[in-house]
Amino acid sequence: QVQLVQSGAEVKKPGASVRVSCKASGYTFTSYYLNWVRQAPGQGLEWMGIINPSADNTDYAEKFQGRVTMTRDTSTSTVYMELSSLRYEDTAVYYCARLAGEFFDFWGQGTLVTVSS
Amino acid sequence: SYELTQPPSESVAPGKTARITCGGDYIGSKSVQWYQQKAGRAPVLVIYYQSDRPSGIPDRFSGSKSGNTATLTISRVEAGDEADYYCQVWDGSSDHPVFGGGTKLTVL
Repeated sequence: QVQLVQSGAEVKKPGASVRVSCKASGYTFTSYYLNWVRQAPGQGLEWMGIINPSADNTDYAEKFQGRVTMTRDTSTSTVYMELSSLRYEDTAVYYCARLAGEFFDFWGQGTLVTVSS
Repeated sequence: SYELTQPPSESVAPGKTARITCGGDYIGSKSVQWYQQKAGRAPVLVIYYQSDRPSGIPDRFSGSKSGNTATLTISRVEAGDEADYYCQVWDGSSDHPVFGGGTKLTVL
């Protein structure tokens, strides 16, 4: 069965960087784009960007351009999302989600990133 | 940028029908998805391409569109349906997905 398993919670200081991983299993890794979506406490879902694991190309939401980098490792079927220059308002749960056509059919369990001094 | 508008909250008694709306310009020409998110959990797809249900989603969940509004209908509401619900479309101009702000459904 399809599974997206994310790395554990992180606590970072303002200005630092964080890298979250998402390991895919149960399907052909290179056949589906993977996305990152975040959710600040008590807020809605916010799309951050997308990576094509096959071609290794990416597209990011304008809001995160210059601060986010998405990469993949086909040998381990894992995608990574690195967010730099962290601010308090980056405190959120970060999800990876598989894209099937125009919808997200499977989601990771989420990774809480807390930015605190 | 494209925007989707949802009411912040809706409430419904058990056994009744809940309707959650999602408004957006030209939404009639877009595919609409709906996600259910229970407290502390990841979102779950409940409707895709406005009216299709993934396997495992009960047929009490249905989707429709009329004019500039999409609607998620939950029939015979149960206590376990209490959750936040988000609509989502793909914005062709930016080639990015867009989420609505979410609707908190309370089962009375």
